[in-house]
Amino acid sequence: SAVISQKPSRDICQRGTSLTIQCQVDSQVTMMFWYRQQPGQSLTLIATANQGSEATYESGFVIDKFPISRPNLTFSTLTVSNMSPEDSSIYLCSVEDLRIYEQFFGPGTRLTVL
Amino acid sequence: ELKVEQNPLFLSMQEGKNYTIYCNYSTTSDRLYWYRQDPGKSLESLFVLLSNGAVKQEGRLMASLDTKARLSTLHITAAVHDLSATYFCAVDGTSGSRLTFGEGTQLTVNP
Repeated sequence: SAVISQKPSRDICQRGTSLTIQCQVDSQVTMMFWYRQQPGQSLTLIATANQGSEATYESGFVIDKFPISRPNLTFSTLTVSNMSPEDSSIYLCSVEDLRIYEQFFGPGTRLTVL
Repeated sequence: ELKVEQNPLFLSMQEGKNYTIYCNYSTTSDRLYWYRQDPGKSLESLFVLLSNGAVKQEGRLMASLDTKARLSTLHITAAVHDLSATYFCAVDGTSGSRLTFGEGTQLTVNP
């Protein structure tokens, strides 16, 4: 299975600032996904990041708030912009192994906005 | 819009007992996933079910898929405390491997 790392693992940020989360995979993957898990809740897909094209955002998520970069096949970043306390969540990246149709998740970034 | 519903949302059971978690979804799907999440941790992949009638087993957990009924089950046999966690099902209802998650079932196994 793919090994996924995320940085930072956690952060506490002030309202109105931005945080960029990095996701690194140990193998080349076509699609990377960003999810959000609000406290005590399930996971919600934010966007799909394909290398060489604009990210595709799900309903309720916009590029101005969650800009995403995908510069190569092993790396992606998600920025949470102009943060408010409602953005306090765990942000997870995931990748799909098309050989076995499994989708694996990174360790997550726990964000607290004060 | 794809909806995924799990039940129960909370399950407290005694060690040694059997139980089933249900996952219903609203539209046709190619794949269904089961994940485990321990408190403060990320998601661990348990099973991926790819076709109608698929059944997979790992230890005390067995998952099945009925695509006609749009239903998957996760059966727990002779539960042990180590199985305490939150279990999520997730459905890939469209092309592009975009997963829609159920609400999660918080399982507590008591000695």
